[in-house]
This record gives sequence, structure tokens and C-alpha cells, in this order.
Amino acid sequence: EPEVTQTPSHQVTQMGQEVILRCVPISNHLYFYWYRQILGQKVEFLVSFYNNEISEKSEIFDDQFSVERPDGSNFTLKIRSTKLEDSAMYFCASSSGTGNTIYFGEGSWLTVV
Amino acid sequence: GESVGLHLPTLSVQEGDNSIINCAYSNSASDYFIWYKQESGKGPQFIIDIRSNMDKRQGQRVTVLLNKTVKHLSLQIAATQPGDSAVYFCAEKQTDSWGKFQFGAGTQVVVTP
Repeated sequence: EPEVTQTPSHQVTQMGQEVILRCVPISNHLYFYWYRQILGQKVEFLVSFYNNEISEKSEIFDDQFSVERPDGSNFTLKIRSTKLEDSAMYFCASSSGTGNTIYFGEGSWLTVV
Repeated sequence: GESVGLHLPTLSVQEGDNSIINCAYSNSASDYFIWYKQESGKGPQFIIDIRSNMDKRQGQRVTVLLNKTVKHLSLQIAATQPGDSAVYFCAEKQTDSWGKFQFGAGTQVVVTP
């Protein structure tokens, strides 16, 4: 069964460093998303992406965050200057349409120290 | 305000019994709902979805019920198995929203032998 894959599974970074989280969405999907889950809290929407541009973003997704689809398969989330409160599990997801089910990857656990 | 470290409601179920997990959603404009299962350290896994033009949908061992009048969603799992132990989230979305699902706090299901 097709799945969303994410790398790295776990990354530890120092505060102020840049981090790039990578995702390979399901191959025939056109809509891509990033969500995050701080330990013990709800899954929160960050951003949705379609046709090489952001279609919607939450208040969490400030200027420190950016997304990119650098080639035909990868979808990345960049955090420019990490803060302690960025420590969370980051989930990539994709869907075939805006009204359709979104499928999540296994997550990238980011620890900022 | 935001809570730090959600205390999840827990549903303890004996193996073989039926489970009912409830969710109150917040937005009366939401018209698409998904139940996800999340095992420890993993991404949310799609279980079943329902659109607002339906009030019931069945899958394999699972049934979702939607009551739009009181903004309530439930997930019924028949003949609960040890592998069903996980956190279950409901997620809601409006059709014109680009994959911006709002997740509930989750319910921890513990299946006992």
C-alpha cells in the first residue's frame, strides 16, 4: 500500500540552528500538508501546499517556517532558527484532493536543545 | 488558553467487547470527518471517514455515527482486539478548507485480556 515517508525519524538540534524535515508524499497525490504534535498535545495543522504554493497556513506557521517542493517527489519543511518550543513530532501528509482523506507519515521527531 | 500536556480520557475495554468512542466537534460548518488511530510514536492512521450528508457509515469492524444536530461523532469498534489499543482522534474539516483538519484531544483505548 502506498505510504508517506519521512526523514529523519528523529533529529536533535541546537537552538538557533536551521532544520529541514523531508517527506515523500504518496506518488499520485497533489496536495501536501505539514502538521505537528507537541508531546502530550493535539495534532495541529501547520500548512497546506498545492501547485507549488501555500494554500493555507495556521498562525503557528510564522516567518521561521517555509515549505518547498524541490523536485517531483520531495516535500520539505524548513525551520530557519529553531526555538525550544519547536520541539515536537512533525507529520507530513498528502491527499489526492482537498475534500479527500489525508494520509500521514510516521513523523519526524524534532528535539531542540 | 492552551493546555500543557493533555490528560486523555481513557476507555478500558475487555477483549471481545464492543467499544464506543465519542467526540464533540466544534464547528457547525464542518462537513467532513475522519477517525484516526495513533499508536505510540507513530503517525495518525486513517480508520474511517464520513461526510455531513450521511449519519452512519460502516467499515470492517468499525462504524461511525454522525449527529449534526448536537455536533457529535462516535466510533464503534466491534469485538475489540488487543491491537486496537491506541489513541483515537476525531478530525473535522470544512469542504473549502485545504486539508486544514481540526483534531480533537483524543481518547486512549486500553484493551484488557
